Amino acid sequence: QQQVKQSPQSLIVQKGGISIINCAYENTAFDYFPWYQQFPGKGPALLIAIRPDVSEKKEGRFTISFNKSAKQFSLHIMDSQPGDSATYFCAAKGDTGRRALTFGSGTRLQVQP
Amino acid sequence: GAVVSQHPSWVICKSGTSVKIECRSLDFQATTMFWYRQFPKQSLMLMATSNEGSKATYEQGVEKDKFLINHASLTLSTLTVTSAHPEDSSFYICSADEVAYGYTFGSGTRLTVV
Repeated sequence: QQQVKQSPQSLIVQKGGISIINCAYENTAFDYFPWYQQFPGKGPALLIAIRPDVSEKKEGRFTISFNKSAKQFSLHIMDSQPGDSATYFCAAKGDTGRRALTFGSGTRLQVQP
Repeated sequence: GAVVSQHPSWVICKSGTSVKIECRSLDFQATTMFWYRQFPKQSLMLMATSNEGSKATYEQGVEKDKFLINHASLTLSTLTVTSAHPEDSSFYICSADEVAYGYTFGSGTRLTVV
């Protein structure tokens, strides 16, 4: 119930392409869905987050699409750049009695020049 | 935005010794801090949740006598790895929940036990 399943495990995209990472959850009590970017040897940094009352949120090149009925959400990185090469984690939190975020397993993105 | 400062960024210690990692919230008060451990190419695993002025809550399987957490003030939480062994070598990350900015993470501490 607390799991967040993330796919793919790794992704290679050409510069300028669209990177898409997907996550799915089971617990309908989740009400906050952030995406984090992590570079090697660094802590995660918040990219963008969404709540289930909207189906899409866009910030610059990053877009979250949210499908409440399917219990799925995805991150789209438009015009992917080599500097976007990092590991991306989806996460979720809700009124489950657990204040910490529940993380997906991560996606290693490599954007080739 | 909210900043969590974590030190040291890396540490090497001998087996059997103890290591302390500090996390400070620089521009906000963190009533709750979360401590994570991350092994190479893996996700963040929650170790414990610490609340200012009270005992930490540890996740199942995390030895509370080995990983001592102190959250004595609203801006400082520490994790002490006691009697460290090579299997404790990992990347340790703290996080705080700030109302306006959500969850903010420290920069992490790479612990190597030799």
